[in-house]
This record gives sequence, C-alpha cells and structure tokens, in this order.
Amino acid sequence: DGGITQSPKYLFRKEGQNVTLSCEQNLNHDAMYWYRQDPGQGLRLIYYSQIVNDFQKGDIAEGYSVSREKKESFPLTVTSAQKNPTAFYLCASSPSRRQGEVEKLFFGSGTQLSVL
Amino acid sequence: SQQGEEDPQALSIQEGENATMNCSYKTSINNLQWYRQNSGRGLVHLILIRSNEREKHSGRLRVTLDTSKKSSSLLITASRAADTASYFCAMPTDSWGKLQFGAGTQVVVTP
Repeated sequence: DGGITQSPKYLFRKEGQNVTLSCEQNLNHDAMYWYRQDPGQGLRLIYYSQIVNDFQKGDIAEGYSVSREKKESFPLTVTSAQKNPTAFYLCASSPSRRQGEVEKLFFGSGTQLSVL
Repeated sequence: SQQGEEDPQALSIQEGENATMNCSYKTSINNLQWYRQNSGRGLVHLILIRSNEREKHSGRLRVTLDTSKKSSSLLITASRAADTASYFCAMPTDSWGKLQFGAGTQVVVTP
C-alpha cells in the first residue's frame, strides 16, 4: 500500500533524553513536513523539506532537529532542549512545492509523545 | 497568530441532520482546504476551493468561499455516525503554499 508510515505509535521520553520519530513515505513525494498538535489546538509546523538534503524551519522549530538524507525518509528528533514535548506529532508529504502551485497534504497516522 | 479560526469549536448533532462549520481568515488567499481527523489519527484531505470559486461539492460535502468576508463554510448533509471527527480548515501562508491550520471543529454525530 502506498502511504506515509510513522513509528512508533506511542513514545515516552525521559527527562534529558533525545528521541527520534520516524516518518517514511513511498508516494515518491518531494516535500515532507512535521507538525505538532496539542489538545484542542490546530497543527503547528515544526520543519519542512522541499527536496533531499534541504529543509527549513517552521513556526516552532526550537528544540527539534530533522534530516533529509533520502527522499523517502524525514525523521524528527525531539531534543532535551524542548521543554514541553508532550504532543501528537504528525508527518505529512506532498508531491512538490512549486511557487504558485497548490498542494494537498497526505498525512501519516501520528506519534503520541509523552514525558515520563 | 493563526491565519484561520473556526467556529463553532464543537458541534453535536443527530444522524440525518446537517452540520455546518465556519472558517475565517485574516489575509488574502488563493485557495482554502478542508481536512478531517478521526480521533488519534492523521488528517485526511476533503476538498480544496480556489479563490475564484464560490462553491464546491464533493459527495455530501459542500464548501463555500466568500473572499469579501474572508470566510469559508463546510456543510455536511445527512450526517452519519461515521462523520464523527474533527474538521480543520487550512490555507497557504506564503507563495509556496505552506499551509496553516485552524484549531478545528469537533463534530459528534449520535445515532
């Protein structure tokens, strides 16, 4: 099946620990995104990548890091600098991001991160 | 501040009734999208309406866009229990189409 796979479904972080959330897509999409969702709130953009080996900060990048070494993969690391990491994290992709074009996003099923 | 704000925050209806939710935004846009999220799941794209369109239909969904009022509405007709979900509007915040999402409307449809 084509789609976006996020793992794990649930993740627990100890204080001072870095954790990495996985996001893999087999849709051959160029662009990938990470969003954070807090209860009762909308999605906030953490990082996005338009092409391999390139990524940009979103609205709330502090305390997070990403890499884009392969087109299919866009892992997100939640570092110990992120003091309030408990949230639902969503990965998304779209075919491309070209200026003036409109793209709909395809989402993974999310990872719930909690702090122990 | 958020580009989009949705109203109401929550909506409870019975099966067969219609559900209407609204999205207001602050700056000019060239398109607006609606997404659906079942509890604990990712979002699913429902419909996209461009700034030169006033109304669009997809199955039991009807979306309107009023650029003069900077608002959009999503109507779900003849609702079913399976329509229980949160619904989000999203709009581009730059010329590259980077999306910003509203806080969502939580819809509960009871049998």
